[in-house]
Amino acid sequence: DAGVTQSPTHLIKTRGQHVTLRCSPISGHKSVSWYQQVLGQGPQFIFQYYEKEERGRGNFPDRFSARQFPNYSSELNVNALLLGDSALYLCASSLVGSNNSPLHFGNGTRLTVT
Amino acid sequence: AQTVTQSQPEMSVQEAETVTLSCTYDTSESDYYLFWYKQPPSRQMILVIRQEAYKQQNATENRFSVNFQKAAKSFSLKISDSQLGDAAMYFCAYKEGGSEKLVFGKGTKLTVNP
Repeated sequence: DAGVTQSPTHLIKTRGQHVTLRCSPISGHKSVSWYQQVLGQGPQFIFQYYEKEERGRGNFPDRFSARQFPNYSSELNVNALLLGDSALYLCASSLVGSNNSPLHFGNGTRLTVT
Repeated sequence: AQTVTQSQPEMSVQEAETVTLSCTYDTSESDYYLFWYKQPPSRQMILVIRQEAYKQQNATENRFSVNFQKAAKSFSLKISDSQLGDAAMYFCAYKEGGSEKLVFGKGTKLTVNP
């Protein structure tokens, strides 16, 4: 079975631009979460979506938004990019939004803002 | 807010030897879960082992085991018979019951010497 897939794998954008990152969860998984991992740090929680509804939001500005589609895939959008948005963006999916379903991570999208 | 602290930025071990990675956390909750994730250069976060806070028995997965000290809020990972493929960043993470949000530590870089 295919794991969590993210696209693109790498992306270079200019400060002030907008970016859209995409994530396809494991088949049957209805919960998708997004994390930002700055170089040398652990991942930080951005959003969680379950059944197409936002279920959690981390401490990120409104420039960050996301949505989940009927097929449970998800997009993360970042507007007005700043240099500090350069990071690895990880998507994770789980079977259900519950305690006993482990998160499965994708390989991430490496975003560089110049 | 919950925090996770990994006090060892880097650790090294000889192949076939045993190494212990440290993790402490801070929470006032009683229902929570603890995890160790491995992140090799491929960037994908791989779940190594998890522990439910309500379970007194320490979790074990083949060569990986934890020492969960609930009162001390300590959650260390022991890797036995270290292999070259164990070399990676290791992240300790916390999840509150009923939430999908993972709180990660800053990670420990493990080097395995042949």
